[in-house]
Amino acid sequence: AQSVTQLDSHVSVSEGTPVLLRCNYSSSYSPSLFWYVQHPNKGLQLLLKYTSAATLVKGINGFEAEFKKSETSFHLTKPSAHMSDAAEYFCVVSDDAGKSTFGDGTTLTVKP
Amino acid sequence: DAGVIQSPRHEVTEMGQEVTLRCKPISGHNSLFWYRQTMMRGLELLIYFNNNVPIDDSGMPEDRFSAKMPNASFSTLKIQPSEPRDSAVYFCASSLKGVYEQYFGPGTRLTVT
Repeated sequence: AQSVTQLDSHVSVSEGTPVLLRCNYSSSYSPSLFWYVQHPNKGLQLLLKYTSAATLVKGINGFEAEFKKSETSFHLTKPSAHMSDAAEYFCVVSDDAGKSTFGDGTTLTVKP
Repeated sequence: DAGVIQSPRHEVTEMGQEVTLRCKPISGHNSLFWYRQTMMRGLELLIYFNNNVPIDDSGMPEDRFSAKMPNASFSTLKIQPSEPRDSAVYFCASSLKGVYEQYFGPGTRLTVT
């Protein structure tokens, strides 16, 4: 069985300050991990993925995430938030069969 | 590539009517997923297919819901009869088996009155 916990349902930052969205996972094997972003009234878009290569993964729009097996975490970060980053973010774990488990989502608000 | 295509984008129907949602996955992808998203329950996996075969339908709410994938380029999700609690945004996603990242369509917003 696998599971994902996004530790914050809402995160609010000021424009230009760092972003940290936290994700812990549980898996009985080496998982594949993903972050997706969903802007209002849009579908989900892949931000980045980890599939057992480098533990620090770089994605689109300046986001990156670090896979920490010892902490079972896959936190998403960005050095400087932009207004356009305001959206909902989903952490996802996939098993060997490709079945994905989504976290409950974190809503990111960016204040001017 | 056009990405995952869903139709219709919006559907408003009355309780008791049949609703059919359609999805065209990305060409070459061999896994297809149907999700439902609501404020109350978030994003839920309803069913997924590998090579047109349903693998896991444990997320399908009840017998009123059915999904088919007659070929690699087309899938439907049918609700019969529809109920107001089925109101949600329904997403279709596809992926290449073994690669795992999913590509989502724009969704169908269903309103059942």
